[in-house]
Amino acid sequence: GAVVSQHPSRVICKSGTSVKIECRSLDFQATTMFWYRQFPKQSLMLMATSNEGSKATYEQGVEKDKFLINHASLTLSTLTVTSAHPEDSSFYICSARGSSGGSTDTQYFGPGTRLTVL
Amino acid sequence: GEDVEQSLFLSVREGDSSVINCTYTDSSSTYLYWYKQEPGAGLQLLTYIFSNMDMKQDQRLTVLLNKKDKHLSLRIADTQTGDSAIYFCAESEGSGDKLTFGTGTRLAVRP
Repeated sequence: GAVVSQHPSRVICKSGTSVKIECRSLDFQATTMFWYRQFPKQSLMLMATSNEGSKATYEQGVEKDKFLINHASLTLSTLTVTSAHPEDSSFYICSARGSSGGSTDTQYFGPGTRLTVL
Repeated sequence: GEDVEQSLFLSVREGDSSVINCTYTDSSSTYLYWYKQEPGAGLQLLTYIFSNMDMKQDQRLTVLLNKKDKHLSLRIADTQTGDSAIYFCAESEGSGDKLTFGTGTRLAVRP
């Protein structure tokens, strides 16, 4: 089946630093990747939609200058949290969509990255 | 905007059936999904149903859709301790489109 990886799985950083999270589709080409954020005991909230080779589309209320998304290839998208603050601490999950031979263009989710900002 | 609601918690005895319910408001929802999330992990797609279907069965899982009432349910037969997790329903307007997730239902399976 389609596999999506994320790196790192956990990261702790100091307030004011930037953190980059990678999302890779391992066995298929992902024309579109999605970035979600999940706060403890809450649902997933879509942050942005990223299409390969074009600018990401951000959801309302998500600061594009703070959450930089780059989808430079069909297998890799990165999310950079710039000047991180404690309120950015969350579980970040990516998903990738591509034709993997199934009957629907399903989104396949990565395992998530837990970010803790001190 | 779209709104997807679920009950927060469900406790069942091992071997019993579990029924997790979900309601949504977006009448243009075309695809409805059920995902499972284990602690500290990402989401695993369990099953999905097209809006023109009433029911879909996949081994121990049965999905029922009442499009008129915008109500979706997931039944897990012979629930096992390994089924303990958070279950999210989600909807999208098109295949592979962005997903709107429900609030999640925590399923606890007791021996």
